[in-house]
Amino acid sequence: ETGVTQSPTHLIKTRGQQVTLRCSSQSGHNTVSWYQQALGQGPQFIFQYYREEENGRGNFPPRFSGLQFPNYSSELNVNALELDDSALYLCASTPAGGPAAQGTQYFGPGTRLTVL
Amino acid sequence: DQQVKQNSPSLSVQEGRISILNCDYTNSMFDYFLWYKKYPAEGPTFLISISSIKDKNEDGRFTVFLNKSAKHLSLHIVPSQPGDSAVYFCAASGGLSGNTGKLIFGQGTTLQVKP
Repeated sequence: ETGVTQSPTHLIKTRGQQVTLRCSSQSGHNTVSWYQQALGQGPQFIFQYYREEENGRGNFPPRFSGLQFPNYSSELNVNALELDDSALYLCASTPAGGPAAQGTQYFGPGTRLTVL
Repeated sequence: DQQVKQNSPSLSVQEGRISILNCDYTNSMFDYFLWYKKYPAEGPTFLISISSIKDKNEDGRFTVFLNKSAKHLSLHIVPSQPGDSAVYFCAASGGLSGNTGKLIFGQGTTLQVKP
């Protein structure tokens, strides 16, 4: 069984640009959640996708958007990048069995985004 | 509004001794709690979880205790090993209808186990 994978590993962008981060869920998992982890902080919930529909969103502006595909892989898109968007972006998947009401989330290695 | 707090940024213990990591929460609707371990340049790795209907869950060297009245949980690692040195995050999720199961994380505690 393969784990959660993310690409790219590292990314450098300039302010105002757009970025797309990718995530492949663990086999058998149909829910994916995205988190932002700033330096020295715990991960913060961005949003979650279940069966290709957004299933909840944290306190992030609309320029953060996402997609989930039929194979349960996912994308996180960020438009109009700001310096404060520099962070580690983590995706996590949850085993199938309904919306992730109480499922353990399994994390990928993350994408380190630097905005200059 | 920090709903999950880990008040100790760091902890240092001797190999073979017990490590106790603490976590407090404020939202009484949380009903599922998890501990994750994170090494540099890696994503968080799930360690152990506990449902609010229990007060203790054990898995090998790791035991999580939940005190609902105090809104406090702790992770005990016995015996501690140098390979346990990492950042430990506690996380909580609520059981509200329609809840996504989103995790609310504490700030993390860096554990150092000295040989």
